[in-house]
Order: sequence, then structure tokens, then C-alpha cells
Amino acid sequence: AQTVTQSQPEMSVQEAETVTLSCTYDTSESDYYLFWYKQPPSRQMILVIRQEAYKQQNATENRFSVNFQKAAKSFSLKISDSQLGDAAMYFCAYRSFGNEKLTFGTGTRLTIIP
Amino acid sequence: AAGVIQSPRHLIKEKRETATLKCYPIPRHDTVYWYQQGPGQDPQFLISFYEKMQSDKGSIPDRFSAQQFSDYHSELNMSSLELGDSALYFCASSSPPSGGGSKPDTQYFGPGTRLTVL
Repeated sequence: AQTVTQSQPEMSVQEAETVTLSCTYDTSESDYYLFWYKQPPSRQMILVIRQEAYKQQNATENRFSVNFQKAAKSFSLKISDSQLGDAAMYFCAYRSFGNEKLTFGTGTRLTIIP
Repeated sequence: AAGVIQSPRHLIKEKRETATLKCYPIPRHDTVYWYQQGPGQDPQFLISFYEKMQSDKGSIPDRFSAQQFSDYHSELNMSSLELGDSALYFCASSSPPSGGGSKPDTQYFGPGTRLTVL
């Protein structure tokens, strides 16, 4: 079974600065997807970014980018120019290519300091 | 853009009662997923449906059942409710490989139904 580990329960960053959230996973598969979801106080689960394992290029979405290291099974999220609205719980998630369910990490709570 | 709709948003039930949660996927999405998120926990996969057939099953109690209807909406039926069933229940949907207007193989979540069992 696949497992996802987020070793940072809490992180904080000064507004306008850059922060990196860590995620590692364990799998024996070669094809899979990785995602970062954001859960603000409203509890809505919002897709931030996704990465296909077969793509070597790191995904980017505006101020959000990932550092995908397939051999190391690492998938970190970098948030540039942090904004107050980025404050949320961030979940890393794994999805097998042939299996539909998402397996989530335990989350990292990000605080933005004004 | 249209999002996943869940109803009701909040539900309060007594122990041993039943509850029905409804989910309306994003238009043209053919797969629906249900997740349970307990307080301070990450979401746990319960069950999924593709084209009205159960496609995958996770840690769903036998007291729970679900189905997907011809219009692709889904319902999660929960019976003999226990205190431990109090949680946030998410529905998510995804599109076919053609995309259907959103990224394929990507699950988009609804706002959730907060179930409280007293």
C-alpha cells in the first residue's frame, strides 16, 4: 500500500516571502499522480497543483511550484510571494495510475505572518 | 465554473438514526468519490463510482451504502449512526480522459457535508 508522509505539522512564513512544504511517499509503482490540496478554514478542499510521475518537468501554477524528485520519492511545494490568503492546511496526495482513490498525508498547517 | 454540489451542508442526527448525503458532480464528470474527514485528520477514501457502477472501495463501514444514479449524482446512505461517524464528508468528481473541460484524472472536491451525531 502507498503511504504519504508530511513531516512538518506546522510551518509559518512572513508575508511576501517564500516557503517550501515537504512531502515524501512510498510506492513500488512507476506510473502515478501527485497532488497538493489546500484546505482553508472553510474546510473546502481546493486543488493547488498536480504532477504526473512520467513527466520530468516540474509543474507550476502561478506562485505555486513543485520540486518532484522521482528517485527520492519526494514532492515538495514551493509557495512564492506568500499572501495572507495562502494560510491553510496543505495536504499532499498520491493516486495510482490504475487506482482512483487518493491517499493523503497528514497535512501541514501554514500560517502567514503579516 | 460549475463546482461539485453537496447537500445538505450540515446535518445533525441522533445515535442509531439514518442519514442520506447527496452529491452532484461537475457537469460532464462521470466518476464520483466519497471521503470521510474526522476532526484533525486527513480525508479517508470510502467508495467511488464510475458510470453508475462501483469502481473502488475503501474503508467504508457495512452500515454505509452508496450509489450513483443515471444523472451521475450520488447518494451516501448511512444507517445505525454512531458517535464516531461525526465527520466532514466530501464528495469529489473527475472527468473522463477527454477532459470534459477540466484536468483528467484530477478529483475536484465539493464543500463537504458536516455530520454531527449526538
